Amino acid sequence: QLLESGGDLVQPGGSLRLSCEASDFTFNIYGMTWVRQAPGTGLEWVASISGSGGNTKYADSVKGRFIISRDNSKNTVFLEMNSLRADDTAEYFCAKDADPENVVALIAVNGYSYYMDVWGEGTTVIVSS
Amino acid sequence: DIQMTQSPSSLSTSVGDTVTITCRASQDIINSLAWYQQRSGSAPKVLLYAASRLVSGVPSRFSGSGSGTEYTLTITSLQPEDFATYYCQQYYSSSTFGQGTRLEIK
Repeated sequence: QLLESGGDLVQPGGSLRLSCEASDFTFNIYGMTWVRQAPGTGLEWVASISGSGGNTKYADSVKGRFIISRDNSKNTVFLEMNSLRADDTAEYFCAKDADPENVVALIAVNGYSYYMDVWGEGTTVIVSS
Repeated sequence: DIQMTQSPSSLSTSVGDTVTITCRASQDIINSLAWYQQRSGSAPKVLLYAASRLVSGVPSRFSGSGSGTEYTLTITSLQPEDFATYYCQQYYSSSTFGQGTRLEIK
């Protein structure tokens, strides 16, 4: 299971830190991803992090403003969001890679990008003055 | 970045019908494609991966095919619970979702 928290109403230019606590699986061997969905629109991949936390990837729309990290001792992945803009308003979902990263490294064409099999219910971020 | 073009954006259809949804990638993604279903107010649920492999527990009326840059999701004998929004996702290079296809009851 995945449980997101930290969503809030924040002013443009502000910062926010989202958390996603995992349970019922061996957290540190799975890559994790944040995906967002603006109101009435589709899904947008935001960022991914490897099981060890050593590798991270970001969408161009958030690169330089958002930071994904994880604390494997707490089974938690984070998304630190800075310089927030109105178009960051969305439901933010965290999701787990479908296979452990040693399997992903063998199967995935680029060795790290994968599909997700477990999703949280999301946390809402509203950026508005 | 790889762009995913999904069509149609919406489809009005009936219980028992068969529907096909298409995703086109801006480059060859070598079958690194998953399909998700999202019901209103819920998180997405993965249906298929590697273009055509059905996730355990997903009904066999869902199937996927394709290669290279073009992929399809087919749902046969639509059931009431299938009326939802469907997304493709390429995971060949980072990740990109299609724009979504909303299935509506005619």
